[in-house]
Amino acid sequence: DTAVSQTPKYLVTQMGNDKSIKCEQNLGHDTMYWYKQDSKKFLKIMFSYNNKELIINETVPNRFSPKSPDKAHLNLHINSLELGDSAVYFCASSQDLPGGQYEQYFGPGTRLTVT
Amino acid sequence: DAKTTQPPSMDCAEGRAANLPCNHSTISGNEYVYWYRQIHSQGPQYIIHGLKNNETNEMASLIITEDRKSSTLILPHATLRDTAVYYCIVSYYKLSFGAGTTVTVRA
Repeated sequence: DTAVSQTPKYLVTQMGNDKSIKCEQNLGHDTMYWYKQDSKKFLKIMFSYNNKELIINETVPNRFSPKSPDKAHLNLHINSLELGDSAVYFCASSQDLPGGQYEQYFGPGTRLTVT
Repeated sequence: DAKTTQPPSMDCAEGRAANLPCNHSTISGNEYVYWYRQIHSQGPQYIIHGLKNNETNEMASLIITEDRKSSTLILPHATLRDTAVYYCIVSYYKLSFGAGTTVTVRA
C-alpha cells in the first residue's frame, strides 16, 4: 500500500488554466505539507496543514490554494497557471512527536509543465 | 534559508562506509538534525534524526559532535541504490532543504 499518494503523476497544461493536484495519506498522520521543487532542484515548503488547519503558509502567490477536506487529504489548486509554476510538487505527511521532532513521508511527486 | 553546509558531491565505493559531513554552527538548542535523501525523480526519504546523542537505525548512523555544530551521517555498507542527494537539515518545526550532497556509489 502506498503511504502518500499523489494524482496525477504528470500534468501538462497551458498558461491561464486552473488545475488541481490531489494528495492522500493512509498513515493516520495529523500534518500534511506541499513542497515545490523547481528546475534548480531546490525543495521549498509551500503549505502545511495540521488536522485540517493551515499552520504554515510560505510566501506563495494567492493563485495557489490548498484545501484539506479531512486530515487524510490535502489538495492543491492552482489558478491562472504561469510558466514559472512548472516544477515538481511533492506532498508529505508527518505524525508530530513531542518536542518538535517528526519524520516526514513524501509522495512520489507531480510533475507540472505549463506551456 | 538552509542553515547547514554540506560538500556538493562525493563518491563512495560499493560495500564501503560512506561518511557524509554536515556543518550547522548556528544550530539552536531545540533544533534537531535531520537527514533525508532523494533518489533521482523520487520523493525525499527520511533517514534519521537526532538532538544530542548519536543515533542508529536500520539505514544509517548519525554522529553529532558534543557542541552540536556538526554531524556525520554514516551509511555502513553503501550499495549502488544509495546513490542519491543527501540533505542535512536542522529544524525545530519546518524543514528547509538546501542543495545537499550528491553521493555517487561506484561499483
